[in-house]
Amino acid sequence: AQKVTQAQTEISVVEKEDVTLDCVYETRDTTYYLFWYKQPPSGELVFLIRRNSFDEQNEISGRYSWNFQKSTSSFNFTITASQVVDSAVYFCALSGSPPGFNKFYFGSGTKLNVKP
Amino acid sequence: EAQVTQNPRYLITVTGKKLTVTCSQNMNHEYMSWYRQDPGLGLRQIYYSMNVEVTDKGDVPEGYKVSRKEKRNFPLILESPSPNQTSLYFCASSARQGMVNEKLFFGSGTQLSVL
Repeated sequence: AQKVTQAQTEISVVEKEDVTLDCVYETRDTTYYLFWYKQPPSGELVFLIRRNSFDEQNEISGRYSWNFQKSTSSFNFTITASQVVDSAVYFCALSGSPPGFNKFYFGSGTKLNVKP
Repeated sequence: EAQVTQNPRYLITVTGKKLTVTCSQNMNHEYMSWYRQDPGLGLRQIYYSMNVEVTDKGDVPEGYKVSRKEKRNFPLILESPSPNQTSLYFCASSARQGMVNEKLFFGSGTQLSVL
C-alpha cells in the first residue's frame, strides 16, 4: 500500500528560526516520486519540489532544503531562517511507478505558523 | 499564462441536486485529476484521466463522475450530492515524461457546501 505520513499537525516558530517538516512514506515500488507542495492562507497549491527515488542527493534552494533518506523512507523539508511569508500548510506527496504512477498520495499536511 | 481554471470558486447546493464543477487547462497536458481536501486528511484523489476518453478511479470515487471528451477539459459531476461531499475540491493537470507524470499544476479550488 502507498501511504504518506506527516506526523506534525501544526508547528509554531518565531521568525528566523530554522524548522524541519517531517515526511515518512510507504511504498512497495522500486521507482517512485516524492513531492512537496505549499498551501498559503490564500488556498492555492504551490509546487516546491519533485524528487525521484533514484536521486538521493539532498537539494537546496535558497532557504529551502530537502533531505531524502531511502533507508528510513523519509523526505524531510527544512526552512532556514523562517519568515512570516513561510506560514502555510505544507503537503508531502508520493506517486508510484507504473501502473501506479497515475495515482498521487498526499499526507495530511503540516501547518506552519511563523510569528514575527 | 499557463493555468488550470476551475469554476465555480464557491458553491452552495442542497442534497440531491446535480452539479458540475468545471476544470480546464491551457498547457496541453495529457494527465488531469481531481482531489478533495478535508481537515486532517490532506488531499485525496477522486478520479484521474490519462488522456481523452481514458479515466480511472482514485481512492475516493464514490458519488462522483468524470468525463474527458476534450484534452483541455475534465469536469467533475456530482449526480446526487450529499452532505458528506462538502469539501474543498482541486483539479490538477500534469505533463508527462514517457509513462511518468511531472509536477501537478493545481486550479484555485472549489469550496462546495451541500446542505
